[in-house]
Amino acid sequence: EAAVTQSPRNKVAVTGGKVTLSCNQTNNHNNMYWYRQDTGHGLRLIHYSYGAGSTEKGDIPDGYKASRPSQENFSLILELATPSQTSVYFCASGVRGSAETLYFGSGTRLTVL
Amino acid sequence: AQKVTQTQTSISVMEKTTVTMDCVYETQDSSYFLFWYKQTASGEIVFLIRQDSYKKENATVGHYSLNFQKPKSSIGLIITATQIEDSAVYFCAMREGGSGSWQLIFGSGTQLTVMP
Repeated sequence: EAAVTQSPRNKVAVTGGKVTLSCNQTNNHNNMYWYRQDTGHGLRLIHYSYGAGSTEKGDIPDGYKASRPSQENFSLILELATPSQTSVYFCASGVRGSAETLYFGSGTRLTVL
Repeated sequence: AQKVTQTQTSISVMEKTTVTMDCVYETQDSSYFLFWYKQTASGEIVFLIRQDSYKKENATVGHYSLNFQKPKSSIGLIITATQIEDSAVYFCAMREGGSGSWQLIFGSGTQLTVMP
């Protein structure tokens, strides 16, 4: 069974603070993704990665950075958090290919005050 | 640019009936892949079923099936003999397979409530 683990599950941050969301996968998948989920918008892609050392911008990358130091780990970094970044964040992994199925983590609920 | 639209915000049905959730998509690519994902009340998101654009037959997995109408750019999800545990949010998604964007684009989701 595919396993994608996100930490923390919940996070409260202050405006202007730095936030790091972590994701670990034990599937040995090449690809990893960060999405945010907001009511009425579904899931929107922030950053993704093809493998260790690579990061690519998704549809809404502004205000976010990503880091993929290894096959297993993919982090999302908010250098200067803003209230508009309050959301639920999901990490996912998948095997490279157009028919790729994604395996999602349980999500991180971030509140920026 | 690719786009996925789910116009049904919420649907309520009685248990053991059949429900269809609508999804329309936009793409310039001749090759693409369509997916349905389910998000449970706990927030867990799982893959349900996939339709490849080059396949004429509708995909079926368990009590999930698809109604793929390529000329209408439509991919409906059909759940037969619904159960209480089918209550969830269902997302339609698309990925272009040719020279278009490689990203997986999601619709806004449809909340399904199955009543006893």
